[in-house]
Amino acid sequence: DSGVTQTPKHLITATGQRVTLRCSPRSGDLSVYWYQQSLDQGLQFLIQYYNGEERAKGNILERFSAQQFPDLHSELNLSSLELGDSALYFCASSVSFGNTDTQYFGPGTRLTVL
Amino acid sequence: SQKIEQNSEALNIQEGKTATLTCNYTNYSPAYLQWYRQDPGRGPVFLLLIRENEKEKRKERLKVTFDTTLKQSLFHITASQPADSATYLCAHGAGNMLTFGGGTRLMVKP
Repeated sequence: DSGVTQTPKHLITATGQRVTLRCSPRSGDLSVYWYQQSLDQGLQFLIQYYNGEERAKGNILERFSAQQFPDLHSELNLSSLELGDSALYFCASSVSFGNTDTQYFGPGTRLTVL
Repeated sequence: SQKIEQNSEALNIQEGKTATLTCNYTNYSPAYLQWYRQDPGRGPVFLLLIRENEKEKRKERLKVTFDTTLKQSLFHITASQPADSATYLCAHGAGNMLTFGGGTRLMVKP
């Protein structure tokens, strides 16, 4: 158990809908990262927050957005969903934002878009 | 563009043998590489980090090497066990984002 929690575990929705994925980092960690893992694209970095502020952005679509709240939990919002958005979404956390900080991954949310 | 690549074919080995997985990078020189283990349907778990000035790093039965001339990192599991069966990912960090290779699936047969 990494100490990172993600809800829900599974999500099934329809195209065009909007969903919110939630992540609680390990106690004491200030950075939260979001990744998408699909069969054809592998594990792709989406976005990072550190202590409430956006710190780094990867290949995140404009339909996706995220935020980190004062209690350090984070939410990833996915809107106008398409079939291709079906994937595993992982949240990870680390103590700080150093590029060698160990990232601890949560169990993931499996999103299925029908 | 920067690329980090792993052999996408599964590696099948017999229990007790040494498993060796390869990670190659092109068009850049990472200051460090990380290795993760991922079991089906679960999040990756950090195993080891090796910096460019470290030729080798060990942790229990795991060993990682970093060859900046060959632009390659090798990940070894000695005395492999069926419980070592998983997908192993190498990753490079640039700034705050990790870029992962596609992973290599290891199957250790009893």
